[in-house]
Amino acid sequence: QQQVKQSPQSLIVQKGGISIINCAYENTAFDYFPWYQQFPGKGPALLIAIRPDVSEKKEGRFTISFNKSAKQFSLHIMDSQPGDSATYFCAATYREYGGSQGNLIFGKGTKLSVKP
Amino acid sequence: DTGVSQNPRHKITKRGQNVTFRCDPISEHNRLYWYRQTLGQGPEFLTYFQNEAQLEKSRLLSDRFSAERPKGSFSTLEIQRTEQGDSAMYLCASSFPDRGQWEQYFGPGTRLTVT
Repeated sequence: QQQVKQSPQSLIVQKGGISIINCAYENTAFDYFPWYQQFPGKGPALLIAIRPDVSEKKEGRFTISFNKSAKQFSLHIMDSQPGDSATYFCAATYREYGGSQGNLIFGKGTKLSVKP
Repeated sequence: DTGVSQNPRHKITKRGQNVTFRCDPISEHNRLYWYRQTLGQGPEFLTYFQNEAQLEKSRLLSDRFSAERPKGSFSTLEIQRTEQGDSAMYLCASSFPDRGQWEQYFGPGTRLTVT
């Protein structure tokens, strides 16, 4: 059972455009939602993360929008650049007994290509 | 802060051989995770440690896999009697939840190829 569903699988955007990647989750116990960027042959790099008590978080050109009632969250990349071409993963985790976080559960990834 | 490091970066082995990978987390991070990533997929959780204690293991972690973190610092992941299906990127991540910091920082990974 896939607990985090990510779409689209691939995305082509023109330079300067907006890239939008969507994720949906099933487990209402999830309490933390990060996005990771991964280049070929490298480990995932944390981009931005959100908790369900806010509906939006922005860091530079990256924005997370969160809809708790719909159990959906999305990543928006404004003014997309060729250097943003990478695979993006959404993830989720839950609050364990004792207050700490559990392991991350990842979506299957979105391969973004930004054309010059 | 030197980040999470992993060694080796690449490992090619023959089926049936044993392999061991090492992960050095960010200093002071008391939680360390191991994930596995196959081509075209997101990372999948294998196991994690809080200091030296192994607190959770995924059902993906068969009996051929063992992980240790003897002094609560670096960790090793050993795969015995490797199979072709073990070919994947093995990723390590660390975090410091005791400070309310849930961010997990990943290393560059070890790419395992079983021939």
